[in-house]
Amino acid sequence: ETGVTQTPRHLVMGMTNKKSLKCEQHLGHNAMYWYKQSAKKPLELMFVYNFKEQTENNSVPSRFSPECPNSSHLFLHLHTLQPEDSALYLCASSPLSLDRGYYNSPLHFGNGTRLTVT
Amino acid sequence: GQNIDQPTEMTATEGAIVQINCTYQTSGFNGLFWYQQHAGEAPTFLSYNVLDGLEEKGRFSSFLSRSKGYSYLLLKELQMKDSASYLCAADLPSGDSNYQLIWGAGTKLIIKP
Repeated sequence: ETGVTQTPRHLVMGMTNKKSLKCEQHLGHNAMYWYKQSAKKPLELMFVYNFKEQTENNSVPSRFSPECPNSSHLFLHLHTLQPEDSALYLCASSPLSLDRGYYNSPLHFGNGTRLTVT
Repeated sequence: GQNIDQPTEMTATEGAIVQINCTYQTSGFNGLFWYQQHAGEAPTFLSYNVLDGLEEKGRFSSFLSRSKGYSYLLLKELQMKDSASYLCAADLPSGDSNYQLIWGAGTKLIIKP
């Protein structure tokens, strides 16, 4: 149990489908993140939320749409994806990223959703 | 530009010692993280170095040289369960951003009996 739970673990979807990834953290953290992990590539930061407010959108295509209804839950809505979007999508949380006094607080990751776009 | 490099794959023998290197070139630097990621699982935090020198945590130690832009993770008395990917990440000053990490692509460590 990592304290950060992601569902589903695996997802196969067609390019015309609409699906959502869910992330929930039980750590009392105030910052949540979406990362994309492709084989043999560095983690790519997609979105950051602090206290439910989006503070980072790292030039992510609009076919990815995040939603953060509260500090414990984070969603990633997917629509009209491309095959190159197939990857492991990781959710993470940390106590707070706005306060630089927490600059050395590590990220807590979920186990990820393995997404395959056909 | 920002750049961070680590070997793609390494192999070591159970019971031995292995050193995984990470070099970085960044504009600004706060510290360096190491994470461990077993296949199909979440990355988990191992260490964070801010000051130069070696920090030891049981079988794992992490070293940093800020002047050389260099870090390594040292794993002693290797066990089969240490087979995993090891990710290094440079923590950069935020500037206009609230949180900026530059990640390496990870080093896949294979432990053989």
